[in-house]
Amino acid sequence: EAGVAQSPRYKIIEKRQSVAFWCNPISGHATLYWYQQILGQGPKLLIQFQNNGVVDDSQLPKDRFSAERLKGVDSTLKIQPAKLEDSAVYLCASSSYRAAKNIQYFGAGTRLSVL
Amino acid sequence: DAKTTQPTSMDCAEGRAANLPCNHSTISGNEYVYWYRQIHSQGPQYIIHGLKNNETNEMASLIITEDRKSSTLILPHATLRDTAVYYCIVIGWGKLQFGAGTQVVVTP
Repeated sequence: EAGVAQSPRYKIIEKRQSVAFWCNPISGHATLYWYQQILGQGPKLLIQFQNNGVVDDSQLPKDRFSAERLKGVDSTLKIQPAKLEDSAVYLCASSSYRAAKNIQYFGAGTRLSVL
Repeated sequence: DAKTTQPTSMDCAEGRAANLPCNHSTISGNEYVYWYRQIHSQGPQYIIHGLKNNETNEMASLIITEDRKSSTLILPHATLRDTAVYYCIVIGWGKLQFGAGTQVVVTP
């Protein structure tokens, strides 16, 4: 079974530029999550989708971050414009309600550096 | 969801058992204990979870005290590939909230 795929693995941009990250979850997983992990900290949930609907985006900085999951499969997370403090690893995870809700499968993440 | 307390770091000799403690004294009756780990440059990986009974799978064992206020993750025969940050998370119906975890270093 293929795991969660993310791209790109690394991205370097200057502040005020925009950037987008892509995630392809495990086939059949209805729930998709985006996390932000700042160096030295645990991952923090940004947004959770159930199929193509948003379940929780309470910690998403909506003035600059946006995410979508068209057709309930792939997802894109965008930052526009980026700030220095957005430098972090962005992790995508997916889970299935056929298993325990909190067994999530993570991708390798995209490391973003904002200069 | 209940707050957890874990040691910042631990060392373990290769081939020996690694016992990782976690305190969760404010856990409530419907909250589970989950363990994840994160190897350097990878995303977190689910290890095991339990409610009140001890659990074992191919990766580890989870021992939960009778009062459920603490638990121990046991890696029975640690290998160098077990070097990682280990997260103990207590959760009911909320979302996974990762703390700083325990940095485990397995040495030859």
